[in-house]
Amino acid sequence: KAGVTQTPRYLIKTRGQQVTLSCSPISGHRSVSWYQQTPGQGLQFLFEYFSETQRNKGNFPGRFSGRQFSNSRSEMNVSTLELGDSALYLCASSGRQGSASEQFFGPGTRLTVL
Amino acid sequence: AQKVTQAQTEISVVEKEDVTLDCVYETRDTTYYLFWYKQPPSGELVFLIRRNSFDEQNEISGRYSWNFQKSTSSFNFTITASQVVDSAVYFCALSEVNTGNQFYFGTGTSLTVIP
Repeated sequence: KAGVTQTPRYLIKTRGQQVTLSCSPISGHRSVSWYQQTPGQGLQFLFEYFSETQRNKGNFPGRFSGRQFSNSRSEMNVSTLELGDSALYLCASSGRQGSASEQFFGPGTRLTVL
Repeated sequence: AQKVTQAQTEISVVEKEDVTLDCVYETRDTTYYLFWYKQPPSGELVFLIRRNSFDEQNEISGRYSWNFQKSTSSFNFTITASQVVDSAVYFCALSEVNTGNQFYFGTGTSLTVIP
C-alpha cells in the first residue's frame, strides 16, 4: 500500500506570495491532518479534515486554510506569506476519525519564505 | 501549558548502551491516547506505538519497550542495546477524546548513537 504523499517536497517563495501544498492520503483513509514543524515551536496542529469537512482547527491565523476533496486528497493554502511561515509542513492520514487512530505521516513539504 | 513534556532535548549514547526517553503528559480527560513517533533525518514521522489510557501494561517490541504509568503521567520509551540506526528525533504525543485526531506533540528528544 502506498504511503502518504506530499507535493511539492521543497518550495521557495517570497514574502507576500501565497502557496498551495498537496497531500494524498493512504488509499482508503478519509481523515487528513496538517501540522507545521519549526525549530522554535515544534510540531503544531493546523487542522483536520474528514470526509471533506474540517473537523478541528489549531491556533493559526486565517491566512492558513485547507480543503479536502471527495477522493480524500487535501490541499493546504497559505496566503500573504511571512518569514515565520518557513517550516516543514507535514500531512498525516488516518483510517478513522477519533483520538484512537494512529496517524501515518508523509515526508513533508519544506517551505522557505525569503 | 504544555500538554506533553519531553525534558531531554538531546541524548548521546555509545552503541549497545540502553537509553530511556522520558515523556510526561497532562490531560483532564479520562480517555486519551499516547503515541511515540520516530523522525529520522529524512523528516518523515514513523509511528512506533499507541497506548490508550486504560491499558497500563508495559509493552515490548524487539529492542523497544514502553513504560506507561498513570500515577506519574509518564509514558517512557526505552531502547535496549542501541544501534546507530536508532539515531533520530523521537516524539511523544497525546490525543484526547474531545479533540479527535489532533495530536499534541512534545518538543522531541534528539538521540545520537555513537558507533
